[in-house]
Amino acid sequence: QKEVEQDPGPLSVPEGAIVSLNCTYSNSAFQYFMWYRQYSRKGPELLMYTYSSGNKEDGRFTAQVDKSSKYISLFIRDSQPSDSATYLCAMSINDYKLSFGAGTTVTVRA
Amino acid sequence: SAVISQKPSRDICQRGTSLTIQCQVDSQVTMMFWYRQQPGQSLTLIATANQGSEATYESGFVIDKFPISRPNLTFSTLTVSNMSPEDSSIYLCSDQTGGHNEQFFGPGTRLTVL
Repeated sequence: QKEVEQDPGPLSVPEGAIVSLNCTYSNSAFQYFMWYRQYSRKGPELLMYTYSSGNKEDGRFTAQVDKSSKYISLFIRDSQPSDSATYLCAMSINDYKLSFGAGTTVTVRA
Repeated sequence: SAVISQKPSRDICQRGTSLTIQCQVDSQVTMMFWYRQQPGQSLTLIATANQGSEATYESGFVIDKFPISRPNLTFSTLTVSNMSPEDSSIYLCSDQTGGHNEQFFGPGTRLTVL
């Protein structure tokens, strides 16, 4: 079993729709949770960073962490074609070692 | 966050040769890391580049295959030695500063080994 599971998709939605992404994990010691966005042929870009459980909102993006279920989510409201990318979840215990999901490829159709 | 650049952005190499990838950060950072991203797979940490000392390698990665240097707080190199087609991948460096666990990534080096 992988430490972090993420559905690779692909996920295709019409412009303006809500994009819902999620990851599950097995290690209950994870405390720090991140979402990265990676455009084709670019490096990952940090989108959201959350400590422990709860919600965090930044513009059109909302990150949720449910530690009791070992489940994290990223929601993108009012999706735009420019949101088309691969989204990677990542998490760590309390140090530099990040465990990544495989990434979900999202296409937002104009 | 610091701006990270990598050279080369891509390369095509023959098997048995070596390639050195450079990572430059525009400000001093505490920690620098090297990752591999194979097609369709998640990022895998190769090693932590320690300033002034030997790198710390993760399980499955060895210094003879991936020698790393970090001569100062803004620069690091990763060499992929004696390459085979299985080394075809994207190689990324990242940095982390301060007491947080956020890491910021460079644009990556896309390596193809023939």
